[in-house]
Amino acid sequence: AQSVTQLGSHVSVSEGALVLLRCNYSSSVPPYLFWYVQYPNQGLQLLLKYTSAATLVKGINGFEAEFKKSETSFHLTKPSAHMSDAAEYFCAVSPFTGGGNKLTFGTGTQLKVEL
Amino acid sequence: NAGVTQTPKFQVLKTGQSMTLQCAQDMNHNSMYWYRQDPGMGLRLIYYSASEGTTDKGEVPNGYNVSRLNKREFSLRLESAAPSQTSVYFCASSDSGAQHFGDGTRLSIL
Repeated sequence: AQSVTQLGSHVSVSEGALVLLRCNYSSSVPPYLFWYVQYPNQGLQLLLKYTSAATLVKGINGFEAEFKKSETSFHLTKPSAHMSDAAEYFCAVSPFTGGGNKLTFGTGTQLKVEL
Repeated sequence: NAGVTQTPKFQVLKTGQSMTLQCAQDMNHNSMYWYRQDPGMGLRLIYYSASEGTTDKGEVPNGYNVSRLNKREFSLRLESAAPSQTSVYFCASSDSGAQHFGDGTRLSIL
């Protein structure tokens, strides 16, 4: 069984400030972890993925995430927020990456960026 | 490069009506998925197809049926729509690793 918990359904930061979106997972097998972003009225777009190659994963738009097994965490960060980062972010976990890999999603974090 | 295409984008139904949501992908992916997204609940898997010719239930399959028509197309059918099925429906496809999503179908059932 696997699950994902995203702490904070809404996060607000100032433009230029650090973005930190939290994700903790539970998995009975070594997990594969993903962060997706959803802009209004659009589908989900992959930001980055962890597939055991490296614990620090760099993604698109300046985002990165670090896999910490001891803390069962995969938090998403960006050093300096931009107005265009305002969106909803979803963390997801899968037991494998092959065909038919079923993702379990967190409930999402809405990021607001203020001037 | 279209990726995953869903039709229609919007639909309003009356309770008891039937409806088929269409999904097609042009990335030659083996696996396809249907999710529903409801406020505060993230995305929940309805059905998936690991490869052409196979389909399996996900977390919330009740009230839905699917057809994997060929490698490209995976449809979702509501036989007798209920207000509880008002949601945004997303189709996705994958080969290995990340799933690629369509832009969704916004379905309202009155």
